[in-house]
Amino acid sequence: GAGVSQSPSNKVTEKGKDVELRCDPISGHTALYWYRQRLGQGLEFLIYFQGNSAPDKSGLPSDRFSAERTGESVSTLTIQRTQQEDSAVYLCASSLTGGNAGNTIYFGEGSWLTVV
Amino acid sequence: GNSVTQMEGPVTLSEEAFLTINCTYTATGYPSLFWYVQYPGEGLQLLLKATKADDKGSNKGFEATYRKETTSFHLEKGSVQVSDSAVYFCALRGATNKLIFGTGTLLAVQP
Repeated sequence: GAGVSQSPSNKVTEKGKDVELRCDPISGHTALYWYRQRLGQGLEFLIYFQGNSAPDKSGLPSDRFSAERTGESVSTLTIQRTQQEDSAVYLCASSLTGGNAGNTIYFGEGSWLTVV
Repeated sequence: GNSVTQMEGPVTLSEEAFLTINCTYTATGYPSLFWYVQYPGEGLQLLLKATKADDKGSNKGFEATYRKETTSFHLEKGSVQVSDSAVYFCALRGATNKLIFGTGTLLAVQP
């Protein structure tokens, strides 16, 4: 596709429920990233995929958070037993490869998650 | 570890004023440096980048020069417009391959 696509764009869920957020990266991009942006704050790194492997998952805040990627394409971020502090915009991004620091990383519009 | 420190906002300017948003970094090796912009209600967009020392990135009248000696990448624009009102993020990407962001600076330009 033309850009990084994320779904749903908005999600309201009850505390304790599980949610899945989906990311379709730009075609041909082997590197994929998830970030979180809480209201009025900066971007927190969550996880980085190179192909289907995740060499860096250091930013996942707890074991309630997990992510997978298949076919070197689509990625899903899953949050189990959601808490109110999980409310944030979850941003997905992709780039041609993770091996060249000069490659531009392109961001999706984000999935706005509200936990009530 | 790698980190980015940028000027706290909000920055409020009148139209046609000169803009500087300071950004300094700490990194091992030779990272690439980026400025991203987030306009109200929109996603994060790349504004400009520089991949090696002394490179100047430029776009839409904005400029930033990669200064290794001062570990800085300050964003400048000679004459801001109301449409430049947004949040600006400085970021670096090094050997870990992930972007590390500053906290963001809100710019408000008044007519």
